[in-house]
Amino acid sequence: GEDVEQSLFLSVREGDSSVINCTYTDSSSTYLYWYKQEPGAGLQLLTYIFSNMDMKQDQRLTVLLNKKDKHLSLRIADTQTGDSAIYFCAGGLEGQNFVFGPGTRLSVLP
Amino acid sequence: EAGVAQSPRYKIIEKRQSVAFWCNPISGHATLYWYQQILGQGPKLLIQFQNNGVVDDSQLPKDRFSAERLKGVDSTLKIQPAKLEDSAVYLCASSLVGSVPGGTQYFGPGTRLLVL
Repeated sequence: GEDVEQSLFLSVREGDSSVINCTYTDSSSTYLYWYKQEPGAGLQLLTYIFSNMDMKQDQRLTVLLNKKDKHLSLRIADTQTGDSAIYFCAGGLEGQNFVFGPGTRLSVLP
Repeated sequence: EAGVAQSPRYKIIEKRQSVAFWCNPISGHATLYWYQQILGQGPKLLIQFQNNGVVDDSQLPKDRFSAERLKGVDSTLKIQPAKLEDSAVYLCASSLVGSVPGGTQYFGPGTRLLVL
């Protein structure tokens, strides 16, 4: 089955860019997703990318997909303290077989 | 649009007791998921329903966990009897299959279970 890996911690200064990385093993995922989880809350969908795309930009968020290396990244421009949370990447095949990574805890320092 | 509702938000029980969680998905969402999220880990899928039929329950510990979605809307997840290692957050999610992007899931706030 799919295995998804992420670095567990990232610390950045307010105003800098954050880059959260994810690697996966199963190239059959149709979509790849980024979710955000704030303390005590459920997961919130941030953005997604279709597997035949290389890049997607959505306001401060940029998703890059390297299918050859099975590497997904999320770049947050102008990181704010409100961006402090745990970020999960996930892959799925048309609504099935969802597998989540362990999450990257982003800390934004003032 | 109302989100996914879950109750209770918190539950503390002793091992070997039973517990049940309830989920009401977003209106019109045919697919419903239950996840277990142990502290420090990503969510792990327990069971996925399409309307009131089970699509995937391969990771559900069936000797103690059960779930149902009788009318294709609300769902309950039960643990009987609970073990210490069941302490986790139980997340419910729903999706509208056929939409773009395919099956994007929307999550409820979760039920935090502590087994003593």
